Amino acid sequence: GENVEQHPSTLSVQEGDSAVIKCTYSDSASNYFPWYKQELGKRPQLIIDIRSNVGEKKDQRIAVTLNKTAKHFSLHITETQPEDSAVYFCAARIPTGTASKLTFGTGTRLQVTL
Amino acid sequence: SQTIHQWPATLVQPVGSPLSLECTVEGTSNPNLYWYRQAAGRGLQLLFYSVGIGQISSEVPQNLSASRPQDRQFILSSKKLLLSDSGFYLCAWSPRTSVFHYEQYFGPGTRLTVT
Repeated sequence: GENVEQHPSTLSVQEGDSAVIKCTYSDSASNYFPWYKQELGKRPQLIIDIRSNVGEKKDQRIAVTLNKTAKHFSLHITETQPEDSAVYFCAARIPTGTASKLTFGTGTRLQVTL
Repeated sequence: SQTIHQWPATLVQPVGSPLSLECTVEGTSNPNLYWYRQAAGRGLQLLFYSVGIGQISSEVPQNLSASRPQDRQFILSSKKLLLSDSGFYLCAWSPRTSVFHYEQYFGPGTRLTVT
């Protein structure tokens, strides 16, 4: 089955700096890669996603890049703010008919300090 | 717009007791539905998913079962809880109307503590 590895497990940056979180996946058939943000005690929230036919996607301060050949994808947050502090999860979708069967990484705890 | 509900929000149960967690989705038809478990400080583990009424796929052999009695209702059950069943249980849905929509959205979760 699919295996998703995520690094780093913790990341501390100063407000205004950039943050990068990296994930690798094992199954070359995976075709969809979402990123979720989870605040303490809350549900994961989808913040950005990318499909396998696209190399990069940007939404304001966040961007995701995908390298299918190397089977890795990354989340980039620019101009970080204290409200960006949370746990971020990457995931990869294995094609299973119409179901979105996702395998998640182990998460990155991002702390943005003043 | 679509809304996903879960209840109860929190639950404390003794070892060996039964469990029933409910998830319902509003504002969409024929959703794909999912149950995840998140252990404290850990990632999300897919437990079950369903593409239609009565259709359940199990991902991990365990002490739990799932059922989908109605199109927008998904239930997670156990006959006898174990201490290791403690965790944050999340229901999620994704559209089934198009192969171009893979987004998955989570409910508010149920925090289960088995004592």
